[in-house]
Amino acid sequence: QAVLTQPSSLSASPGASASLTCTLRSGINVGTYWIYWFQQKPGSPPQFLLKYKSDSDNQQGSGVPSRFSGSKDASANAGILLISGLQSEDEADYYCMIWHSSTWVFGGGTKLTVL
Amino acid sequence: QVQLVQSGAEVKKPGASVKVSCKASGYTFTSYDINWLRQATGQGLEWVGWMNPKSGNTGYAQKFQGRVTMTRDTSTYTAYMELSSLRSEDTAVYYCARNYPETGNFDHWGQGTLVTVSS
Repeated sequence: QAVLTQPSSLSASPGASASLTCTLRSGINVGTYWIYWFQQKPGSPPQFLLKYKSDSDNQQGSGVPSRFSGSKDASANAGILLISGLQSEDEADYYCMIWHSSTWVFGGGTKLTVL
Repeated sequence: QVQLVQSGAEVKKPGASVKVSCKASGYTFTSYDINWLRQATGQGLEWVGWMNPKSGNTGYAQKFQGRVTMTRDTSTYTAYMELSSLRSEDTAVYYCARNYPETGNFDHWGQGTLVTVSS
């Protein structure tokens, strides 16, 4: 079972909100981890969006709109990237990442379609 | 402004080695770690390892141990990643990215270097 699991795709309408999940493997407690989120558009390197550990411990990437926010669902053992007020430019691949066993580990990515 | 500029595309035969460079500018080179990551076409991101340019200390993903070497030249603000015993599965775009030590804030990335391994 992969360390981080993300749904492969998600669709949402302009102006709506999208909730992208990053589920940690059983036995790895989401509460103890920083969850990092990156956005990648075709032909470009990833861009750091934010990192989230708790409501009082989180950081937005430089220039990243406040429409992007992080949270956790402890019951689902998952990190969440919430994008509100979706815009066409938000259409991209989104990756979560954690530091686990001395390795930066990525989820498989979610392709977000805005239509 | 902060920039990481990588060397150009490479084509290598199986079993060969490749060395990719990443030239930093716009910040103090020794204040941030350099990480290397890769992405096969249509696939996700994979972390290869990190290097601290000040100390030269490195850390590699277990998968690449014994095949990867990360070095730097502090006089030219350049980091290098060498991957040996190449196989077709190593075909990917390789990125360098900087982060403040012990964080995952990969806040600036190189443009990527396509390494193709083909006989």
